[in-house]
Amino acid sequence: SQQGEEDPQALSIQEGENATMNCSYKTSINNLQWYRQNSGRGLVHLILIRSNEREKHSGRLRVTLDTSKKSSSLLITASRAADTASYFCATTIQGAQKLVFGQGTRLTINP
Amino acid sequence: DAEITQSPRHKITETGRQVTLACHQTWNHNNMFWYRQDLGHGLRLIHYSYGVQDTNKGEVSDGYSVSRSNTEDLPLTLESAASSQTSVYFCASSDRAGTSGIHEQFFGPGTRLTVL
Repeated sequence: SQQGEEDPQALSIQEGENATMNCSYKTSINNLQWYRQNSGRGLVHLILIRSNEREKHSGRLRVTLDTSKKSSSLLITASRAADTASYFCATTIQGAQKLVFGQGTRLTINP
Repeated sequence: DAEITQSPRHKITETGRQVTLACHQTWNHNNMFWYRQDLGHGLRLIHYSYGVQDTNKGEVSDGYSVSRSNTEDLPLTLESAASSQTSVYFCASSDRAGTSGIHEQFFGPGTRLTVL
């Protein structure tokens, strides 16, 4: 079964608004990563947050991690049309070197 | 610049044929992975390798095999293609994990495989 579950499955907002996506997971993790996938392309790494971190920023991205609730959120501020893509969370389970991906959130930014 | 490439980008084959998808990375990464992506399932891990001569099964390995004879390549073979293996296949690589867990993975552009 999938370790990560994203919510919502699809999100459509107006350009300039903030977009928030959530990820829940089941087991203890070493770190959690977020990836972006543009249509027809491979995944691109966005940000990694370690299990002992609570918040991390990278440009317009803000990621939070709550290990007590086994959840993470990705916030994209001041969205742009180019942010239209699918976003995936991926977790590294303790003791393993491989990632387990969620099913993704499809984000559409309307001009 | 270092990169990870996949070939072919598109492939149409018939049921029962053997198919090999190529993956080549110039990052000099130890770890390499193969995923398939299907609607409603996200990315699922097929096989992975932590170094030369090392291969491991992922969650959906039935009907697939890999071999790792050098650092740069991890070809994925479908022994006898089935319609259920129609999918988009992604190869990825990453550096060896440190004490805090696995590093980011770098993905190839994908191969769209259709089995008729």
